[in-house]
Amino acid sequence: RKEVEQDPGPFNVPEGATVAFNCTYSNSASQSFFWYRQDCRKEPKLLMSVYSSGNEDGRFTAQLNRASQYISLLIRDSKLSDSATYLCVVNMEKFYFGTGTSLTVIP
Amino acid sequence: NAGVTQTPKFRVLKTGQSMTLLCAQDMNHEYMYWYRQDPGMGLRLIHYSVGEGTTAKGEVPDGYNVSRLKKQNFLLGLESAAPSQTSVYFCASSYTPPRGGSTDTQYFGPGTRLTVL
Repeated sequence: RKEVEQDPGPFNVPEGATVAFNCTYSNSASQSFFWYRQDCRKEPKLLMSVYSSGNEDGRFTAQLNRASQYISLLIRDSKLSDSATYLCVVNMEKFYFGTGTSLTVIP
Repeated sequence: NAGVTQTPKFRVLKTGQSMTLLCAQDMNHEYMYWYRQDPGMGLRLIHYSVGEGTTAKGEVPDGYNVSRLKKQNFLLGLESAAPSQTSVYFCASSYTPPRGGSTDTQYFGPGTRLTVL
């Protein structure tokens, strides 16, 4: 079983839509969680850390559910510039990356 | 600050050839990492370093060697390239180790696209 699993998508949504991604992790001892964004043929970049109480950064909201061992990312009012692959990352003494969820925002 | 840089950006090798990928960071980070990214596989850790002069194996170390002679540089070597090593290679660095509970992030270089024929 992979340490981190994501739905690869693709998610194709119209501008202005709300979209949510989930990610599950296998090790209940995991303590740090992140969402990274990766544009086509570019390097991954940190989008936001995920805190136990949940956190928001503008149109982006991240949630952590330790009991069910998943994290989520909600994007509200999608913009064309949100089109990218979103990587779920879990820190279990090493960084473990999900395979990513592809998002395309359509005009 | 340039952040994390990688050279070369692209390379095509023939099976059996050798090459070295160079990663440099100017953020005075102790920890450096080499990953490969393949379709449907996500990023996988090849080797990492917790400081100058130290290296350790990651998830997929076979066929690769690394060296960290200077704090700012982390080299990845392929002694005898194989088609299975065709991939995109990313270097990353961080100030603190990936301890549980740490919210420190990793900073990635732009990647090297390697094709082995």
